[in-house]
Amino acid sequence: QMQLVESGGGLVKPGGSLRLTCVASGFTFSASDMSWIRQVPGEGLEWVSYITSYNKMNYGDSVRGRFTISRDNARNSLFLQMNSLRIEDTAVYYCANFQLFGELGGWFDPWGQGTLVTVSS
Amino acid sequence: SFELTQPPSVSVSPGQTATITCSGDNLGDKYACWYRQKPGQSPVLVIYQDNKRPSGVPERLSGSNSGDTATLTISGTQSLDEADYYCQAWDSSTSGVVFGGGTRLTVL
Repeated sequence: QMQLVESGGGLVKPGGSLRLTCVASGFTFSASDMSWIRQVPGEGLEWVSYITSYNKMNYGDSVRGRFTISRDNARNSLFLQMNSLRIEDTAVYYCANFQLFGELGGWFDPWGQGTLVTVSS
Repeated sequence: SFELTQPPSVSVSPGQTATITCSGDNLGDKYACWYRQKPGQSPVLVIYQDNKRPSGVPERLSGSNSGDTATLTISGTQSLDEADYYCQAWDSSTSGVVFGGGTRLTVL
């Protein structure tokens, strides 16, 4: 059974940094595309970043240049390094397995339980 | 930039059919998918590749995608279908992912 468990969220001051981790199990992580999605409490979903199995990466406009996605296949782990954090980055961050089919698109399944990041002074 | 538009809310009576739309330029040219999210829970995929259901999703849920509109249809709506529903598709201009704003389904 595919499972994703996020960790690393917490309270951080504006301008600070945080590193999120997502540990995968139940599937071949090294062959999988992965993604981070976030959700401000009470609001909608926002795609943050993805990384393919061959390490192609992309970012949403609101985080490009500040966030970095990476993976460690030996540890079945996905990471999100978040720098220069802003108050508007406050959200629950989910990791998800990304079923990407080229230019036709793809979908996220499954999702982790999420980890809350709060940016506040 | 590519955007997906959903109605903020849809109401339906128990046993009736609920229809949630998702609109975007030439959305029918790419895969649309749908997620259900209940309060305090993570989103769950309910429709992918326009009209396919993951295992465990009841046949009451169906999807279609043509032209500029993708549609999620829930037949015989039950109280357990009350949730927020999000559509999602690919933005080929940025090679990124776009979500609709979400629709809250209320079963009255």
